[in-house]
Amino acid sequence: KAGVTQTPRYLIKTRGQQVTLSCSPISGHRSVSWYQQTPGQGLQFLFEYFSETQRNKGNFPGRFSGRQFSNSRSEMNVSTLELGDSALYLCASSRGRTSGGTQYFGPGTRLTVL
Amino acid sequence: GDSVTQMEGPVTLSEEAFLTINCTYTATGYPSLFWYVQYPGEGLQLLLKATKADDKGSNKGFEATYRKETTSFHLEKGSVQVSDSAVYFCALTTDSNYQLIWGAGTKLIIKP
Repeated sequence: KAGVTQTPRYLIKTRGQQVTLSCSPISGHRSVSWYQQTPGQGLQFLFEYFSETQRNKGNFPGRFSGRQFSNSRSEMNVSTLELGDSALYLCASSRGRTSGGTQYFGPGTRLTVL
Repeated sequence: GDSVTQMEGPVTLSEEAFLTINCTYTATGYPSLFWYVQYPGEGLQLLLKATKADDKGSNKGFEATYRKETTSFHLEKGSVQVSDSAVYFCALTTDSNYQLIWGAGTKLIIKP
């Protein structure tokens, strides 16, 4: 069974640009969550989608947005990039939305903003 | 709000030493507890989990017991190997807040 895949793996952008990251969940998984990992702030929750609807959102500015398609694939978009957006962006999928359910992570997209 | 506190790293041990990484939590609901591991240059992998009090999660020689009375979920391993060198994250979810709430991570370095 294929795991969670994320594309691209690495990105370099300049301030003010926008970027779109993609995540393909494990087959049959309907929930996709996004997390940002930085050395200073650690792991922080961005948002979660289930059945094409955003169910939960973390404390990030509106420049961060996402969506989910009918096949459960998800994209996140960051507009007007800032230096502080440099991070590893991780996508996780799970079958449902129960507290004890396991979230499976992809390898991440490393975004560098210059 | 919900939070996870885990011991600061890095933790440096010799091969075959006993490992404990402390993790305590604060949660308004009844949380599920997780340990994830991140090897260098890789994403996060679930190491073990426990969903109710007194449950013990175990995997690859690692164990952690859900202690509701002390709000703790300490990670232990009896004999570590060089290949266990990684960053370990304690995390929780609750039914009212499905997102993973993370500890700061503990970097573990095992020397041969």
